[in-house]
Amino acid sequence: DVKVTQSSRYLVKRTGEKVFLECVQDMDHENMFWYRQDPGLGLRLIYFSYDVKMKEKGDIPEGYSVSREKKERFSLILESASTNQTSMYLCASTAGGHEQYFGPGTRLTVT
Amino acid sequence: AQSVTQPDIHITVSEGASLELRCNYSYGATPYLFWYVQSPGQGLQLLLKYFSGDTLVQGIKGFEAEFKRSQSSFNLRKPSVHWSDAAEYFCAVGATGTASKLTFGTGTRLQVTL
Repeated sequence: DVKVTQSSRYLVKRTGEKVFLECVQDMDHENMFWYRQDPGLGLRLIYFSYDVKMKEKGDIPEGYSVSREKKERFSLILESASTNQTSMYLCASTAGGHEQYFGPGTRLTVT
Repeated sequence: AQSVTQPDIHITVSEGASLELRCNYSYGATPYLFWYVQSPGQGLQLLLKYFSGDTLVQGIKGFEAEFKRSQSSFNLRKPSVHWSDAAEYFCAVGATGTASKLTFGTGTRLQVTL
């Protein structure tokens, strides 16, 4: 069965902290994605990766970076968390078609 | 660039009633179209997808959707809604040559009354 896991379901951080969100997929998928979800805005793409060490900016990359050192793991990094980064973060992966498989999400609160 | 519009932010239906959620897309060629469902506090689950062929596609949980090129629409339907269908529904469009990227609509929240 397809499995995408995210390291935390809930996370509370302070302004200015460096935050790591981890995503792991067990399907040997090439492509992985990070979205943030906010009420009324749907899902917005932050970054995606189409291979190990390869990444591309999505629609809202400002304030974020990513790392993909291994095929199964895609990390989202908030270098200096701010309150406007309080959101639900969703990770997804796909084998190369467009059908994406999603993790359960991490609800991040920055205080 | 492609875009998706879900004109209904919130819909309330009675259990047992029929349901139609609207989705309009903008894309120059034949798109890949998807409907996802998100239960409270969960990730997104794929309901159904359209790539090509038959314009009426069947999905899980009794849902279906019809691709209408002339109207640039991909509306989701269910003949009889169950209370467990209460969730948020997202329409998404993908384009060829975009490394599997999807563009999502803003979602429609479905409330089911008993």
